[in-house]
Amino acid sequence: KQEVTQIPAALSVPEGENLVLNCSFTDSAIYNLQWFRQDPGKGLTSLLLIQSSQREQTSGRLNASLDKSSGRSTLYIAASQPGDSATYLCAVAYSGAGSYQLTFGKGTKLSVIP
Amino acid sequence: KAGVTQTPRYLIKTRGQQVTLSCSPISGHRSVSWYQQTPGQGLQFLFEYFSETQRNKGNFPGRFSGRQFSNSRSEMNVSTLELGDSALYLCASSHEGYEQYFGPGTRLTVT
Repeated sequence: KQEVTQIPAALSVPEGENLVLNCSFTDSAIYNLQWFRQDPGKGLTSLLLIQSSQREQTSGRLNASLDKSSGRSTLYIAASQPGDSATYLCAVAYSGAGSYQLTFGKGTKLSVIP
Repeated sequence: KAGVTQTPRYLIKTRGQQVTLSCSPISGHRSVSWYQQTPGQGLQFLFEYFSETQRNKGNFPGRFSGRQFSNSRSEMNVSTLELGDSALYLCASSHEGYEQYFGPGTRLTVT
């Protein structure tokens, strides 16, 4: 059974700081890995998708890396802003019988202090 | 392109009742998945539908069921509601297993 762990569970940083969120997974036979952002009481916003054959993806101030062999991914946020405050979720997808099921970590709650 | 829409956004039901939630995927997406989110268990996979067929099912009791229509819209049904079914129910659509796009969710409260 695939398990996804995110560390730390919560993080508070001053505005402008660069930060790294960590995600680890137990089964390296993944199809892809997705990072999401969730604001309180809202749905999930997709930030970055990394296919299993890729090592990293970048979008603006965000950079996600993937190391399948060690079962790890990191999300790097540069020059953090108060608007980045949210819960960040890592999810891995594996395929079985043609289906692509996401297994989520519990998330990292980020607070960026002005 | 319109995103994933879910209706209703909020529901309050009583124990023992049943409820139906609806999800309209992004145009062209044939895969629709449902997830339950609670503070204790986090996000858990319920089931996935593709072209009106259930392709995968999570570890939930038979009270949770779903279906998908020919236009890819999907509904999930929960019968005999229990207090523990109170949760945010999220629907996601994708194009054959690529990036999954989530709707805003339906907040279900069971009293």
